[in-house]
Amino acid sequence: DAGVIQSPRHEVTEMGQEVTLRCKPISGHNSLFWYRQTMMRGLELLIYFNNNVPIDDSGMPEDRFSAKMPNASFSTLKIQPSEPRDSAVYFCASSFSQGALNQPQHFGDGTRLSIL
Amino acid sequence: QQQVKQSPQSLIVQKGGISIINCAYENTAFDYFPWYQQFPGKGPALLIAIRPDVSEKKEGRFTISFNKSAKQFSLHIMDSQPGDSATYFCAAPDRGSTLGRLYFGRGTQLTVWP
Repeated sequence: DAGVIQSPRHEVTEMGQEVTLRCKPISGHNSLFWYRQTMMRGLELLIYFNNNVPIDDSGMPEDRFSAKMPNASFSTLKIQPSEPRDSAVYFCASSFSQGALNQPQHFGDGTRLSIL
Repeated sequence: QQQVKQSPQSLIVQKGGISIINCAYENTAFDYFPWYQQFPGKGPALLIAIRPDVSEKKEGRFTISFNKSAKQFSLHIMDSQPGDSATYFCAAPDRGSTLGRLYFGRGTQLTVWP
């Protein structure tokens, strides 16, 4: 079974450039989550979608960050303009949510982003 | 507001020893408590989970103990092995939503020496 697929795995770019991270969730999953992981702050939830609709974007650090989910099989996280403090590992996760029964989240292997 | 507090931040155990990681939660509405394991260069992966209608769940060498009155749950790794060296996260869901959102602890970096 294909898991959550993220691309690129590594991204190195200069400050001020636009960065786009991509995620393909597990087929059939209806919730998608974007996280950022750093040593200082741990695993932070940035935004999550349910049935392609953004539910909570309160974790998005600034207006420089935006996320979209145009269909059930694809999501992007965009940073424009990028800054060195955005350097982190970004994870996408998906799950199937129905009723009151919580299901585990499945994570991709992340995108390691370095902003010079 | 930190919904889930995890300790210790790091843990060093000898091979064959017992590793214990603790988590405390605030919101009594939590109803599902998973543990995730993360190896370097990989995303977190579900290791084991418990629901509060039981006090303990065991899968192989991994056991979750749950204390509802104290609002605490812990992961025990018996006969720890070098391959268990990883970062472990506890988590709890937002019961206010059925959409699968999880609150994660800060993580515990476990090192098992051979």
